[in-house]
Amino acid sequence: AQSVSQHNHHVILSEAASLELGCNYSYGGTVNLFWYVQYPGQHLQLLLKYFSGDPLVKGIKGFEAEFIKSKFSFNLRKPSVQWSDTAEYFCAVNAWGGTSYGKLTFGQGTILTVHP
Amino acid sequence: SAVISQKPSRDICQRGTSLTIQCQVDSQVTMMFWYRQQPGQSLTLIATANQGSEATYESGFVIDKFPISRPNLTFSTLTVSNMSPEDSSIYLCSGTTDTQYFGPGTRLTVL
Repeated sequence: AQSVSQHNHHVILSEAASLELGCNYSYGGTVNLFWYVQYPGQHLQLLLKYFSGDPLVKGIKGFEAEFIKSKFSFNLRKPSVQWSDTAEYFCAVNAWGGTSYGKLTFGQGTILTVHP
Repeated sequence: SAVISQKPSRDICQRGTSLTIQCQVDSQVTMMFWYRQQPGQSLTLIATANQGSEATYESGFVIDKFPISRPNLTFSTLTVSNMSPEDSSIYLCSGTTDTQYFGPGTRLTVL
């Protein structure tokens, strides 16, 4: 079964700082990768996704993520964070095929706090 | 994309009772799932809701405790049965088209 690990539980930054949130997964086969965001009091929203092709994917609100297959990683980045980026971020993996198809396995989540 | 709604949005229930949560999608989705998010934790998959047949449960979840129905491609229900305080969580429904979309969740508190 696949598992997902997010490196940081809580990250605190000042506005304009650069952000990188780590995500590693364990699964030997083909995967789809996702980052979801949950703003305070709101429901889970898709930030970006990787299915195939260019390993550098761009999402909403200036976020991007890079899939490095050899490292089983899918780190989330943003060059300059804003106060409005304060939220909890979840990395998720969907394994292709078999009984795991369509199911998402989530990481533990990273709470990002951005100070103005 | 798909827009997913859930009812109720929150509830406070007594120990030993049951609650049924409804999930409605505004368009047909391939697959529907139910997740649980316990306080301070990540999302855990409870089961895959299969249209017209019994749901497929993940390890640690059983049908007697979490009966699920999916009568058509856009609607599903999850019942939390014989509740205890440990069932206090947010329960989320999701639907898959080209990607997976989530409902707003149902915040359940069991006293």
